[in-house]
Amino acid sequence: EDKVVQSPLSLVVHEGDTVTLNCSYEVTNFRSLLWYKQEKKAPTFLFMLTSSGIEKKSGRLSSILDKKELFSILNITATQTGDSAVYLCAATDSWGKLQFGAGTQVVVTP
Amino acid sequence: GAVVSQHPSWVICKSGTSVKIECRSLDFQATTMFWYRQFPKQSLMLMATSNEGSKATYEQGVEKDKFLINHASLTLSTLTVTSAHPEDSSFYICSASRTALNQPQHFGDGTRLSIL
Repeated sequence: EDKVVQSPLSLVVHEGDTVTLNCSYEVTNFRSLLWYKQEKKAPTFLFMLTSSGIEKKSGRLSSILDKKELFSILNITATQTGDSAVYLCAATDSWGKLQFGAGTQVVVTP
Repeated sequence: GAVVSQHPSWVICKSGTSVKIECRSLDFQATTMFWYRQFPKQSLMLMATSNEGSKATYEQGVEKDKFLINHASLTLSTLTVTSAHPEDSSFYICSASRTALNQPQHFGDGTRLSIL
């Protein structure tokens, strides 16, 4: 059975801290790994990773995929209160279907 | 970037009513759109894959007669919750990606459905 597991489920950090979110996956016919940020509405796209070992960066966020070990991490440096959200990891199969993890709730305190 | 519009954003209606939710890709064509359901404090669960010009593919446990999906054009998919009951109350979200392979899915803003 396909599954995507995220850890931790939640964490609280102070502004300026760095957080690392983990995502492991077991998906038949895996094609890509995606990270989304969800605040009050629907998820917003952060990264899509298809190749192992190539880091993707966007501002203070970065992510990398390890296809041998079947996991990905999302890093957020110099966190701000606006980074508070649920971060969702999802894996796609060859049909493009997304299998989501349970999410990691990040709370950044001032 | 890709924009997906979902309407309405909030619906409150009586039990037994049918509710239609629209999902539009505004600046790209999408042969495939996806419908998800999300309960509070839980992750998104895929309900069905909407295919333009053909029948939708439903995930196990999702009643196709309850959740009617129509994908009549490359930019519009609709989900109709028929004879809705309080247990159908949830957050419904659609997503779409560009027709080309390996493009990320972008989500609409979601529809919060409350059945009284």
